[in-house]
Amino acid sequence: EAGVTQFPSHSVIEKGQTVTLRCDPISGHDNLYWYRRVMGKEIKFLLHFVKESKQDESGMPNNRFLAERTGGTYSTLKVQPAELEDSGVYFCASSQDLLAGAYNEQFFGPGTRLTVL
Amino acid sequence: GENVEQHPSTLSVQEGDSAVIKCTYSDSASNYFPWYKQELGKGPQLIIDIRSNVGEKKDQRIAVTLNKTAKHFSLHITETQPEDSAVYFCAASSPGNQFYFGTGTSLTVIP
Repeated sequence: EAGVTQFPSHSVIEKGQTVTLRCDPISGHDNLYWYRRVMGKEIKFLLHFVKESKQDESGMPNNRFLAERTGGTYSTLKVQPAELEDSGVYFCASSQDLLAGAYNEQFFGPGTRLTVL
Repeated sequence: GENVEQHPSTLSVQEGDSAVIKCTYSDSASNYFPWYKQELGKGPQLIIDIRSNVGEKKDQRIAVTLNKTAKHFSLHITETQPEDSAVYFCAASSPGNQFYFGTGTSLTVIP
């Protein structure tokens, strides 16, 4: 079974440019999460999709970030325009259907390292 | 919201020795505490988790303890091996809510 994949693995852009990150979750996983880790800090939640719907987007930093999950399969995270503080590693994770009051393991992708110059 | 603190940030141990990583959390509603291991070039991978109705859980060389009263939980790795070298993250969550991660511990096992 293929794991969570992310593309690209690295991206270097200049301030003001646009970047789109892609995540392909494990097939059949309805739940998809985006996280970000700034160097030396915690892995921080950005948002959570259930199928194509945004369940929780409380962690999105500002309106320069736009996440989509058309058709409930892969997801994209667009940063436009990028700022220096957006640099970090962006992780995607997926999990199976959540039973009420239960937790399912979140499977993480390898991450996209974004550098904004 | 929840605040998770993790210590130490770096840890070096001799092969065969034990390693302990500690985390504290602030929200008494948190009741699920997973630990993730991130190897170089890979994403975090769940290695063990514990729920608040359990005080300790063990899986071979790895164990996790939870003290709900003190709001802290710890990861214990015994008989460390070079392949245990990685970055370890603790996290806390409550039903229906996001995971809150610690800042990570870079563990180096010296052969």
